[in-house]
Amino acid sequence: GAGVSQTPSNKVTEKGKYVELRCDPISGHTALYWYRQSLGQGPEFLIYFQGTGAADDSGLPNDRFFAVRPEGSVSTLKIQRTERGDSAVYLCASSPKGGTSYTDTQYFGPGTRLTVL
Amino acid sequence: AQSVTQLGSHVSVSEGALVLLRCNYSSSVPPYLFWYVQYPNQGLQLLLKYTSAATLVKGINGFEAEFKKSETSFHLTKPSAHMSDAAEYFCAVSDMMNRDDKIIFGKGTRLHILP
Repeated sequence: GAGVSQTPSNKVTEKGKYVELRCDPISGHTALYWYRQSLGQGPEFLIYFQGTGAADDSGLPNDRFFAVRPEGSVSTLKIQRTERGDSAVYLCASSPKGGTSYTDTQYFGPGTRLTVL
Repeated sequence: AQSVTQLGSHVSVSEGALVLLRCNYSSSVPPYLFWYVQYPNQGLQLLLKYTSAATLVKGINGFEAEFKKSETSFHLTKPSAHMSDAAEYFCAVSDMMNRDDKIIFGKGTRLHILP
């Protein structure tokens, strides 16, 4: 079956612009996660959705970052007034029920490489 | 707060030799522990995970890891390296008691296989 997909695969933008990154989770997965991976680093947690609601957004670095999941499936990560420091690979993952306490596996997409010039 | 430390950002082994990638964790509560692999231009793939059922965990592609509470370690091993094992490997930890599921990743170890 289809895995997690992310679009676009690459995005180049200019400092100060607005960008949207899209994640299509595996069908039926209720939990969705966004992570950010900077060069030479491991992925860092940004936000976790259980259904339509953001259950944990403690990883969002500041109020320029926002994410939605209006119908409990596709999610969009939105970044306003982009800065050069936002350049990274943005990863999306989904899991069937959510909660590593249920020993669910998070399935990762290939990521969107964002470059802010 | 939870964290993982991966010793060695780059590890090189000869084809057919033992692979050992080191990971130490820090957690104030019982942890879940993971190893993920990232091949070039691909997404993260779960190799194996420890969820307290057994201390020796077997994963895909011949990899295994052993949870040692006394050493706070979760090292990844494979008896015989293949060229196809060249990739970046991430150790990760999650809080067994916390249901918000965020995974804390290490900085990664790039594994190079020498012919």
